[in-house]
Amino acid sequence: AQTVTQSQPEMSVQEAETVTLSCTYDTSESDYYLFWYKQPPSRQMILVIRQEAYKQQNATENRFSVNFQKAAKSFSLKISDSQLGDAAMYFCAYRNSGAGSYQLTFGKGTKLSVIP
Amino acid sequence: DSGVTQTPKHLITATGQRVTLRCSPRSGDLSVYWYQQSLDQGLQFLIQYYNGEERAKGNILERFSAQQFPDLHSELNLSSLELGDSALYFCASSAGTSIYGYTFGSGTRLTVV
Repeated sequence: AQTVTQSQPEMSVQEAETVTLSCTYDTSESDYYLFWYKQPPSRQMILVIRQEAYKQQNATENRFSVNFQKAAKSFSLKISDSQLGDAAMYFCAYRNSGAGSYQLTFGKGTKLSVIP
Repeated sequence: DSGVTQTPKHLITATGQRVTLRCSPRSGDLSVYWYQQSLDQGLQFLIQYYNGEERAKGNILERFSAQQFPDLHSELNLSSLELGDSALYFCASSAGTSIYGYTFGSGTRLTVV
């Protein structure tokens, strides 16, 4: 079974600075998808960014980017120019690419605080 | 508003009781997923339905069951409730194979007392 590990239960960052959240995963599959979800105090789960394992290029969405290291099974999230609204729980998630395996496996999450 | 509607938002009930959580997926989405989020277990996949049929099962207890109706809304039934069932229950939906991720509802907070 796949596992996802987020080793940083809590992180903090100064407003306007950059922070990186770590995620590692374990799988024997060669093709899969990886996601970062944000959960603010409102509890809503919001998709931040996704990465397809067969793509070499790291995904980028505005101030959010990933560092995908397939051989190391690492998928970190970098948040640039941090804003107060970035304060939330961040979850890394994995999904197999095979048919019928559509569920996401989540890490335990990292709580990000943004200091004004 | 994500387009996925979950009701009720909060539910408080006693041990041994039965409750039903409801989810209406985003318009056009055929797949519905149920997840349980608790402090000790994190986010756990429970079950997936696709166009009315069960597609995948995760860590769902035998006391729990779900179904998806012809209009694609889904219900998660929790029975013989225990204190440990207190959690946030999420529903999510996707158009097909969810390679672009799911759209989550805002969750139902269940408290068992």
